Amino acid sequence: EVQLVESGGGLVKPGGSLRLSCAASGFTFSSYSMNWVRQAPGKGLEWVSSISSSSSYIYYADSVKGRFTISRDNAKNSLYLQMNSLRAEDTAVYYCARYGSGEKGMDVWGQGTTVTVSS
Amino acid sequence: QSVLTQPPSASGTPGQRVTISCSGSSSNIGSNYVYWYQQLPGTAPKLLIYRNNQRPSGVPDRFSGSKSGTSASLAISGLRSEDEADYYCAAWDDSLSGLNWVFGGGTKLTVL
Repeated sequence: EVQLVESGGGLVKPGGSLRLSCAASGFTFSSYSMNWVRQAPGKGLEWVSSISSSSSYIYYADSVKGRFTISRDNAKNSLYLQMNSLRAEDTAVYYCARYGSGEKGMDVWGQGTTVTVSS
Repeated sequence: QSVLTQPPSASGTPGQRVTISCSGSSSNIGSNYVYWYQQLPGTAPKLLIYRNNQRPSGVPDRFSGSKSGTSASLAISGLRSEDEADYYCAAWDDSLSGLNWVFGGGTKLTVL
């Protein structure tokens, strides 16, 4: 079964750091670009970051550029998001999502992990 | 404020056909594919339409997508109660300020 499972969310103080992980299974992880998408409470979806299959191409939303770092370990079938200098507005459910080959969109999503930034 | 503009709400009765619009610009919808996602309450988003009008396997043919210029639409025919969800359009945006995925603000569909 194709699956993505996020972990690492929690409560952190403003200015703090957190590292999210996304474990992939059921497909050849190293062949796919991956994404992080977040959803603040009661709000819509917001793209956060993308990374190509070999980590050659990395993109960030302006809202997190310079604070967040996306990475992957293809040997461990894992995707990561290092979040530094966290702000209250970073509070959200964070989803990892696979980008399907052939420009088929974000075709597999995890269940999400919740990040709360509050003092 | 989202880069792609969707109506915040839509509604219909069972069996009806409803459409949800998504308006963008030349740097996103005008030059790239449009994708649609469905998010049922309390769940992760699910891919509904890719490459403007293609359905992933398992998505009923009641769902269809179209694109014209800098706008796109999602149509749902034969509306069913289980279609009640939030719907989001998305597209890659390659403007001078950089490369980003952009989403619409979402449309909450109510089945009356």
